[in-house]
Amino acid sequence: AQTVTQSQPEMSVQEAETVTLSCTYDTSENNYYLFWYKQPPSRQMILVIRQEAYKQQNATENRFSVNFQKAAKSFSLKISDSQLGDTAMYFCAFMYSGGGADGLTFGKGTHLIIQP
Amino acid sequence: DSGVTQTPKHLITATGQRVTLRCSPRSGDLSVYWYQQSLDQGLQFLIQYYNGEERAKGNILERFSAQQFPDLHSELNLSSLELGDSALYFCASSVVPGGGRNTEAFFGQGTRLTVV
Repeated sequence: AQTVTQSQPEMSVQEAETVTLSCTYDTSENNYYLFWYKQPPSRQMILVIRQEAYKQQNATENRFSVNFQKAAKSFSLKISDSQLGDTAMYFCAFMYSGGGADGLTFGKGTHLIIQP
Repeated sequence: DSGVTQTPKHLITATGQRVTLRCSPRSGDLSVYWYQQSLDQGLQFLIQYYNGEERAKGNILERFSAQQFPDLHSELNLSSLELGDSALYFCASSVVPGGGRNTEAFFGQGTRLTVV
């Protein structure tokens, strides 16, 4: 079974700064997906960014980018030019891309606070 | 708005009771996932259905069951409720199972269950 670890329970940065959230995972699989989800106070789970394990190129979505290190099983999220609306819980998640169990395995989350 | 509708939004019930949570997936989505978010366990995958058939099981208790109906809506039944079952229950849907592009899972806003 896979596990996902987020070692930073809470982080706080000033608006416009860059922040990096850490995530490590453990799996014996070779084909999988990794995700970062955002959960604002509204409770809605919102997909921020996705990375396919077979792709070496790091995914980017506007101000959000990842540093995917497959050998190290590390998947960090970088948020550039942080905004007040980025304040939320951020969850790193894993999904096996083969058949069988297709649910997401989540980390415990990092509470990110953007200070004005 | 993700297009996934969960009802009710809030539910308060007593220990030992049974409740049913309902999920209507996005139009055209055939796959439905159920997740539980609690303070103790974090976000956990419970069960997945695809086009009416159970596809994958996660950490779902025997007291819990689910089904997906011909119109593709899904229900999660929780019975013999305990205090520890208090949690936020999410439904997510995707066109088909998987985590790749065009198979993204969209989450509903959740049902907050409180067992007293």
